[in-house]
Amino acid sequence: AQSVTQLGSHVSVSEGALVLLRCNYSSSVPPYLFWYVQYPNQGLQLLLKYTTGATLVKGINGFEAEFKKSETSFHLTKPSAHMSDAAEYFCAVKGGSYIPTFGRGTSLIVHP
Amino acid sequence: NAGVTQTPKFQVLKTGQSMTLQCAQDMNHEYMSWYRQDPGMGLRLIHYSVGAGITDQGEVPNGYNVSRSTTEDFPLRLLSAAPSQTSVYFCASSPLGLAGGKGGRAYEQYFGPGTRLTVT
Repeated sequence: AQSVTQLGSHVSVSEGALVLLRCNYSSSVPPYLFWYVQYPNQGLQLLLKYTTGATLVKGINGFEAEFKKSETSFHLTKPSAHMSDAAEYFCAVKGGSYIPTFGRGTSLIVHP
Repeated sequence: NAGVTQTPKFQVLKTGQSMTLQCAQDMNHEYMSWYRQDPGMGLRLIHYSVGAGITDQGEVPNGYNVSRSTTEDFPLRLLSAAPSQTSVYFCASSPLGLAGGKGGRAYEQYFGPGTRLTVT
């Protein structure tokens, strides 16, 4: 069985501030973990992923995420928010099944 | 590569009408799936396929049919549209583990641009 919990349906930050979007997962096997971004009126696109190896994963647009097995977490961060980062972010886990499980999404709001 | 394409972009149906949402991918991905996205509900899986001739139900399959006669195409059929099917529909594809490999693009989902469906 696998599941994903994204804490906070909305996160609001000021431009230039740290972005932290939280994701906790459960999986009965070593997981693959993903973050996707959805800009308004578009489909989702991959930001970054963790499969094996280095636990700190860097993605596009300056985002990174750290796999912490002991905390079953895969939080997404960016040191300095930009207005263009405003979007919906989805965490996903793939455990023993072909089918990934997506979180409900977190809407990132960036204030000038 | 065009990636994942979906047609139409927008559609308005009357209750009881049927229609097919088209999805195609040119990346030779084994896995294809359909999701619906509703406010506050995230993505909900409707149907999926792990290869030509193989389909299975997801979380919310009622009212929808799929078939997969080729690797490239995965159409979604609404049999008798209902207002509850008003939603944004996304098609996605990904390579599976055998093809993608652990260090490759296995299980990375590639999404189409979506179809916005309104049922009145």
